[in-house]
Amino acid sequence: DTEVTQTPKHLVMGMTNKKSLKCEQHMGHRAMYWYKQKAKKPPELMFVYSYEKLSINESVPSRFSPECPNSSLLNLHLHALQPEDSALYLCASSQAPAPTYEQYFGPGTRLTVT
Amino acid sequence: GENVEQHPSTLSVQEGDSAVIKCTYSDSASNYFPWYKQELGKGPQLIIDIRSNVGEKKDQRIAVTLNKTAKHFSLHITETQPEDSAVYFCAAPTFTNAGKSTFGDGTTLTVKP
Repeated sequence: DTEVTQTPKHLVMGMTNKKSLKCEQHMGHRAMYWYKQKAKKPPELMFVYSYEKLSINESVPSRFSPECPNSSLLNLHLHALQPEDSALYLCASSQAPAPTYEQYFGPGTRLTVT
Repeated sequence: GENVEQHPSTLSVQEGDSAVIKCTYSDSASNYFPWYKQELGKGPQLIIDIRSNVGEKKDQRIAVTLNKTAKHFSLHITETQPEDSAVYFCAAPTFTNAGKSTFGDGTTLTVKP
């Protein structure tokens, strides 16, 4: 199974809501990533988890809170978002936390903040 | 940190023609260069990658070439088909921040039937 799954596919939330994005992989990968992608732009790294510990935070605002409950699951908790946070949120995983390993991307969650 | 430039930003070809997309990078320590294809409504998918110990790699209609001296690598697609239409991203590792890759800005390829 070489699949990364993400739920939900689409999410609309108000600026005062709290919601969570979920990502799952069963490839035994020890690195998991959250990316943000705006239209017609490349993916922009937000967080990297290495062996279930947060190893990279790319100066992401605290209204985004990642969580890695176990080696297969990655969550992104959202609170008090702004309209400019509307984007495609991609989860990825790789065998190990080094950029020389292939990253497997999920289909993404399309987030709209109203 | 690594700087990756990708050209062209858009490319339109006739079905059956070849397409070439080029990326340049700045960090001479970079040693892994993947190419991703992103179709509408989907996440990027790796289509081919190359490591710095080889100059060329081929997989059916897709090939990647690497010139370490000039610090550039290129994606070649031969006998293009309409299903090749997508956005293609190159990437290179950033060794100052382990786990991070720098992506090019992407190339929108359109294959006209």
